[in-house]
Amino acid sequence: NAGVTQTPKFQVLKTGQSMTLQCAQDMNHEYMSWYRQDPGMGLRLIHYSVGAGITDQGEVPNGYNVSRSTTEDFPLRLLSAAPSQTSVYFCASRTGQSTRNEQFFGPGTRLTVL
Amino acid sequence: QKEVEQDPGPLSVPEGAIVSLNCTYSNSAFQYFMWYRQYSRKGPELLMYTYSSGNKEDGRFTAQVDKSSKYISLFIRDSQPSDSATYLCAMRTTDSWGKLQFGSGTQVVVTP
Repeated sequence: NAGVTQTPKFQVLKTGQSMTLQCAQDMNHEYMSWYRQDPGMGLRLIHYSVGAGITDQGEVPNGYNVSRSTTEDFPLRLLSAAPSQTSVYFCASRTGQSTRNEQFFGPGTRLTVL
Repeated sequence: QKEVEQDPGPLSVPEGAIVSLNCTYSNSAFQYFMWYRQYSRKGPELLMYTYSSGNKEDGRFTAQVDKSSKYISLFIRDSQPSDSATYLCAMRTTDSWGKLQFGSGTQVVVTP
């Protein structure tokens, strides 16, 4: 199993450009999440999904869109990039079983917005 | 005020020493408590998980939860240079499923 994969690893955008960060998992996990990590701020939840077709907002959703058409994929879209979105983005997934708490994280995407 | 507070460090200890990490939180509804380890330029990986109050031990690692004080701790015994990483506490309520609330992380450096 590849686990959680993210592409691209690095990206530089200009202000106003749009892009999609890809996330895929091959563990048949119901729950998937997107976090951003900034120095001194820890990981903050952007959006999450509890299953295909179901998404909800996290702590910092503004400027980001998500959709979940399949169990495996959970892309994150930046519609009009801003310098404040410069960050490291992590996708995570976990099983829906209540006794299993481990979230598996991808390797991250380092995004710079100029 | 953040829901979860964690000292950012860095915390520097000599090899073989005990590393003591902690987090405080404000939401009394948190029931699941986790510690993640994150190496530089990598994604976090789950180290320890505890449900409600109590202690849990796994090899050199011990996690403690004191819900009455809203305080959780992680102890690393016989620390090794390979333990050098950032340690993040995380927690969630019973019904928040995929929504974890993270601390800001503590950087630990174990010197040979």
